[in-house]
Amino acid sequence: AQKVTQAQTEISVVEKEDVTLDCVYETRDTTYYLFWYKQPPSGELVFLIRRNSFDEQNEISGRYSWNFQKSTSSFNFTITASQVVDSAVYFCALSEAGPTGGGNKLTFGTGTQLKVEL
Amino acid sequence: KAGVTQTPRYLIKTRGQQVTLSCSPISGHRSVSWYQQTPGQGLQFLFEYFSETQRNKGNFPGRFSGRQFSNSRSEMNVSTLELGDSALYLCASSLARTGFLQETQYFGPGTRLLVL
Repeated sequence: AQKVTQAQTEISVVEKEDVTLDCVYETRDTTYYLFWYKQPPSGELVFLIRRNSFDEQNEISGRYSWNFQKSTSSFNFTITASQVVDSAVYFCALSEAGPTGGGNKLTFGTGTQLKVEL
Repeated sequence: KAGVTQTPRYLIKTRGQQVTLSCSPISGHRSVSWYQQTPGQGLQFLFEYFSETQRNKGNFPGRFSGRQFSNSRSEMNVSTLELGDSALYLCASSLARTGFLQETQYFGPGTRLLVL
């Protein structure tokens, strides 16, 4: 069974600090997809980034960057120069390709509450 | 392009009643998935519908059911409500293009259900 662990329950930083959110996953599948979503107080899950298991290239998108390492089953997410508007709960999620290659089923971690203060 | 919409946004029911939640996917998206979010259990997958057929199912009792219409809109039904069904119910849609694996799911604002 697949599993996603976000060990950090809550992180507090001061605005403009960099912050890294940790995610460790477990899966027996060789093809899988990893996601980060943000959930502000309004409740809607906002898609941030996606990575597939056969592409370990790490990228930067604006203030967001991610570090995907299959060897340690980790998919960490970094926000550079954090802002108050970044305050939200961040979820890491894992999706596996089914036997026929189709289907959407996300397994979520428990989330990390990020608080960015002035 | 409009995002995923869910109605109603808030709902109060009493134990034993049933409830129907609605989800309209992003235009052109053919897959709709439902998730339950509670403080105790977190985000849990309920089921996914594609081409009016249930394609995946999570570990929820039969009181939870759903369906999808030909225009890809989906409804979720919970019968004989229990106190523990109080939760935020999130709907997500994805393109589900043939030959593409695990496309990104985009979520709606959710329906907050309170069972008294």
